[in-house]
Amino acid sequence: KQEVTQIPAALSVPEGENLVLNCSFTDSAIYNLQWFRQDPGKGLTSLLLIQSSQREQTSGRLNASLDKSSGRSTLYIAASQPGDSATYLCAPSDTGNQFYFGTGTSLTVIP
Amino acid sequence: DAGVIQSPRHEVTEMGQEVTLRCKPISGHNSLFWYRQTMMRGLELLIYFNNNVPIDDSGMPEDRFSAKMPNASFSTLKIQPSEPRDSAVYFCASSPLGSNQPQHFGDGTRLSIL
Repeated sequence: KQEVTQIPAALSVPEGENLVLNCSFTDSAIYNLQWFRQDPGKGLTSLLLIQSSQREQTSGRLNASLDKSSGRSTLYIAASQPGDSATYLCAPSDTGNQFYFGTGTSLTVIP
Repeated sequence: DAGVIQSPRHEVTEMGQEVTLRCKPISGHNSLFWYRQTMMRGLELLIYFNNNVPIDDSGMPEDRFSAKMPNASFSTLKIQPSEPRDSAVYFCASSPLGSNQPQHFGDGTRLSIL
């Protein structure tokens, strides 16, 4: 079974900083990988989906990279804002439908 | 556009009672997923459907859990009888059919079994 680890578990940064969230997974035979954010009391919102053939995806201030062979993905957030405060979850999939979730990184951006 | 709609948002019931959670996926989405989230185990996939047909239910913890999708716009997750260890947040998600499709989540049902 795919095991997903996210480091750090929690992160607190001042507004405006650039930051990197890390994700590692044990089975490199993935089909794709999604990054989600979860706000308290809410469901998950898909941020970026990287196909296994891709190295990175960008959306606004977010950039996700994928190194499939080493079982790693990173989410880079540029110029962080207080509204970015949430829990970020990484989820690789081996079929494209079934995703295995990490326990997340809880991000707090301090104004 | 309406997102994935789940009901109820909160459910508190006593051990042994039947619990039914409901989900309305986004119109046009042919894949539907049920997840459970706990502090101890994180987010786990319980079952998913493609075109109303269950594809993989290997995540369903026990026979006490059952899920149905009678049509493209409605799904239920039932627990009978419920136990305190079933307390969790249950999420429903939907996506267009096929791989490489982002999943859209509902706001979840917070279930507490006393």
